[in-house]
Amino acid sequence: RKEVEQDPGPFNVPEGATVAFNCTYSNSASQSFFWYRQDCRKEPKLLMSVYSSGNEDGRFTAQLNRASQYISLLIRDSKLSDSATYLCVVNPSGTYKYIFGTGTRLKVLA
Amino acid sequence: EAGVAQSPRYKIIEKRQSVAFWCNPISGHATLYWYQQILGQGPKLLIQFQNNGVVDDSQLPKDRFSAERLKGVDSTLKIQPAKLEDSAVYLCASSRGVEQYFGPGTRLTVT
Repeated sequence: RKEVEQDPGPFNVPEGATVAFNCTYSNSASQSFFWYRQDCRKEPKLLMSVYSSGNEDGRFTAQLNRASQYISLLIRDSKLSDSATYLCVVNPSGTYKYIFGTGTRLKVLA
Repeated sequence: EAGVAQSPRYKIIEKRQSVAFWCNPISGHATLYWYQQILGQGPKLLIQFQNNGVVDDSQLPKDRFSAERLKGVDSTLKIQPAKLEDSAVYLCASSRGVEQYFGPGTRLTVT
């Protein structure tokens, strides 16, 4: 089993739709979780951290389910500019080591 | 604040040749990472430095890859000799806390 697993997609959704991605992790001792966004041929950039209590930033909501070992990202009212690859990142041990998933590709269609 | 700088941006070499990449992290960031990102995959950590010491190099193919971070600032990653499967984007990132800041990457093509 991979340490971090994501559905690669692509998820094709119309503008204005709500879309959600999940990411599962194998190490139950994982401490920190993040979502990064990566545009085509660009470097990854932090989108948001994922806290135990959940985290919301505008149209984006991230949640953590420790019992089932997954994190989720919900995007409401999708914009064309949301088209990108969303990378799930897990810090498995409390150190500054990060395990990246393969990413989920989102395409928002006009 | 200046971001993470990397050079070159692109490199094309033949297999069995050697190549080196350079990274200048954000000033004051003690932690520096080198990642390999193959097309369609997420970044894979090759090596992590804390100042000029290696924290993790468990996934670095040490028979052909080497990296150093002299004086705890700039870092170089070298591949010698290169193989076709080394074709990828090599990303450098730095951090002071939990957020990593990535450079633009070096796109390596091995022919």
